[in-house]
Amino acid sequence: GESVGLHLPTLSVQEGDNSIINCAYSNSASDYFIWYKQESGKGPQFIIDIRSNMDKRQGQRVTVLLNKTVKHLSLQIAATQPGDSAVYFCAENANAGNMLTFGGGTRLMVKP
Amino acid sequence: GAGVSQTPSNKVTEKGKYVELRCDPISGHTALYWYRQSLGQGPEFLIYFQGTGAADDSGLPNDRFFAVRPEGSVSTLKIQRTERGDSAVYLCASSLTLAGPQYFGPGTRLLVL
Repeated sequence: GESVGLHLPTLSVQEGDNSIINCAYSNSASDYFIWYKQESGKGPQFIIDIRSNMDKRQGQRVTVLLNKTVKHLSLQIAATQPGDSAVYFCAENANAGNMLTFGGGTRLMVKP
Repeated sequence: GAGVSQTPSNKVTEKGKYVELRCDPISGHTALYWYRQSLGQGPEFLIYFQGTGAADDSGLPNDRFFAVRPEGSVSTLKIQRTERGDSAVYLCASSLTLAGPQYFGPGTRLLVL
């Protein structure tokens, strides 16, 4: 199948280490944020979301941090596994509409 | 349960032809979205439906693109007089409510020769 993100920023980590993927969002009116994981040839897979009234939210092995002051979002993956290798996108939803605006994506490569 | 499904998974057509891409959302999801993803980029919004009506079609690139959702469930994206620049992955997503997360299907890979 075709590859997603041939020229994306790449984060390479050792299996078992923690990963941090960063995203700068553009719209100060955005009030809802989602992280997606996309493997080659597949659609984006929902990982975790956060609303603007929170600054941290935890899921299973993942944590999202939101800093509205500097319009920054991060995804932390604990004990990264080879199956975590994929392209990760942040997406924002501004109050005015329901479309998601996606960031440029980061490729995560996990070395065994 | 079943996720969002899209058919066909791949479509190859010739410049100038008409194509239809189908999306079957998660059962009970009222909102349905179409996005387009070019190689190396994130998805870009095209249109979304709340029920049967197109609530926002501001992302459609021109009048060759049209989408319908006649019964509030399945949606069809229609592209007339296809051009080589239309080649991309067309993604469909659905959400239970407008305020909830959007769940994506596998996409239709369209190649216009």
